[in-house]
Amino acid sequence: VQLVESGGGLVRPGGSLRLSCAGSGFTFSNCAMAWVRQAPGKRLEWVADINGSGGTTYYAGSVKGRFTISRDNSINTVYLQMNSLRAEDTGFYYCAKGLSPYFSYSIDVRGKGTTVTVSS
Amino acid sequence: QSALTQPASVSGSPGQSITISCTGTSTDIGLYNYVSWYQQHPGEAPKLIIFDVSDRPSEVSNRFVGSKSGNTASLTISGLLAEDEADYYCSSFTTTNTLAFGGGTKLTVL
Repeated sequence: VQLVESGGGLVRPGGSLRLSCAGSGFTFSNCAMAWVRQAPGKRLEWVADINGSGGTTYYAGSVKGRFTISRDNSINTVYLQMNSLRAEDTGFYYCAKGLSPYFSYSIDVRGKGTTVTVSS
Repeated sequence: QSALTQPASVSGSPGQSITISCTGTSTDIGLYNYVSWYQQHPGEAPKLIIFDVSDRPSEVSNRFVGSKSGNTASLTISGLLAEDEADYYCSSFTTTNTLAFGGGTKLTVL
């Protein structure tokens, strides 16, 4: 099982970024997928989740209306479109697979993550 | 979403057992058996060690045991090893269809 994240970087407040995560080694469409983040020295924070078919999405209150999670099961990839970025969105972003097709009740992180820095 | 409550730190000597608690409410831990635990070494990604309260991924040692009573979940690590020194996080599904995490517990092996 492997998850490879990409798309992080430095962006100004109010800017946008799109993170991607390519999965391999498992039946991608059978698993919900999630994004979690971790600010330096801080706790893990769940950001967003999408079910296996891609028809249902869930968001943390802190990102609702600004972030959009989506997936393309034909290429085993999940995305996180991040708009109106704020300094508090800075952190390490991990892509994770759930153990269920409905929601990532448990997150299985198999990638190294990608860094997002929001700063002027 | 509200966070779950964990002690900031615990410690134990090699060979001993320790328990880390994770306290939630009747809208998360108390209602669902979707409690998980993660181990995170410095500079590394978190690793899933317990899911569904007490189940272990096949590659995780049986020295790690999860349980739940009411609104509180617990992780017990027996036969402490130096390599167990890490940060440990709990998580739970909630009634608002979100995943709540605890603040993390730093385990020191003396």
